[in-house]
Amino acid sequence: NAGVTQTPKFQVLKTGQSMTLQCAQDMNHNSMYWYRQDPGMGLRLIYYSASEGTTDKGEVPNGYNVSRLNKREFSLRLESAAPSQTSVYFCASGRLNEQFFGPGTRLTVL
Amino acid sequence: ILNVEQSPQSLHVQEGDSTNFTCSFPSSNFYALHWYRWETAKSPEALFVMTLNGDEKKKGRISATLNTKEGYSYLYIKGSQPEDSATYLCAAGNKLTFGGGTRVLVKP
Repeated sequence: NAGVTQTPKFQVLKTGQSMTLQCAQDMNHNSMYWYRQDPGMGLRLIYYSASEGTTDKGEVPNGYNVSRLNKREFSLRLESAAPSQTSVYFCASGRLNEQFFGPGTRLTVL
Repeated sequence: ILNVEQSPQSLHVQEGDSTNFTCSFPSSNFYALHWYRWETAKSPEALFVMTLNGDEKKKGRISATLNTKEGYSYLYIKGSQPEDSATYLCAAGNKLTFGGGTRVLVKP
């Protein structure tokens, strides 16, 4: 089992560029999540998906869109990247009361 | 959005000493309280999930208690070792709202 995988691991974008962060899990979890981590702020929920075909906004959804392509995959899209979106992005999947995190994507927007 | 707070933000501990730190959360509509251990350059790793008032969980030298009526949880590290150095995160609610973390540095 690979658990939760994320691609890419690192990315540098220019302001206004778009990109999609990919996440996949092989644990057959219904729920998947996208978080961003900024210094001194812990993890903040961007979007989550309770099951295939559903998505909901979290604490900081502005500037992002998500797609729950199937049960395994949950992607995060930045349509027009801004410097404020420089962060480390973590995907997670879970069941009941437990979440498993991916290795993170470090994104820098210049 | 829940207000989940952790204190202190950082902690320096001498090897062999015991330490503890706090997570506070809204006591109304309590769902579950999670503790994670997060080492630099790695992913957060689940330590405990606690749901019952008065619950106490233990994993090796690390333990946690939960008070849902007053809205707090303590994490204890007994006999700290350098490998305990990490950021410890708590999260509450059904959508997991995270606190800012307590960064623990154990000095040899």
